[in-house]
Amino acid sequence: SQELEQSPQSLIVQEGKNLTINCTSSKTLYGLYWYKQKYGEGLIFLMMLQKGGEEKSHEKITAKLDEKKQQSSLHITASQPSHAGIYLCGASSSGSARQLTFGSGTQLTVLP
Amino acid sequence: DAGVIQSPRHEVTEMGQEVTLRCKPISGHNSLFWYRQTMMRGLELLIYFNNNVPIDDSGMPEDRFSAKMPNASFSTLKIQPSEPRDSAVYFCASSFSTNEKLFFGSGTQLSVL
Repeated sequence: SQELEQSPQSLIVQEGKNLTINCTSSKTLYGLYWYKQKYGEGLIFLMMLQKGGEEKSHEKITAKLDEKKQQSSLHITASQPSHAGIYLCGASSSGSARQLTFGSGTQLTVLP
Repeated sequence: DAGVIQSPRHEVTEMGQEVTLRCKPISGHNSLFWYRQTMMRGLELLIYFNNNVPIDDSGMPEDRFSAKMPNASFSTLKIQPSEPRDSAVYFCASSFSTNEKLFFGSGTQLSVL
């Protein structure tokens, strides 16, 4: 089965700072999903990357997929307290959402 | 759209009791997934259905766990008998197809004493 390792496990930043979260896969990535989870709530879909080199942005969040490195990164520019939460990457060996494996998550705290 | 609806939000029960978790997927979605989240193991896929048919239940921990989807708008996850190690947050998610993004419910926090 596919294993995903996220780093760092936790991150505390001052509001306004940029930050990057990484997700590394033990197997070839055919599809990579980024989700955000707030305490006591379900996961909210952020972005899906399917092609090597693909980069997507939504507001101040940018995600990239490096197929060769079997890695994806999530970058937040000018962080805000609303960005706080747990960020999880999910992937499957086939690119289908059928059997998504998730990383253990990165806990982000943004200090006002 | 109401999103994926799970009930109950919280469940506290005693070891040995039967527990039933419920999920109503988003209307029109044909794939439904049950996940379990714990501190130790993170988010694990238990089982998923496509067009109400169970496709892969290899993630179901043991025979004490069972899941059903009698129709396109309802699914249950049952644990019988429950054990303290079953304590976790159980999420239901649905998607329009198995290649599309998953929409998650708010989860059921289960505590087995």
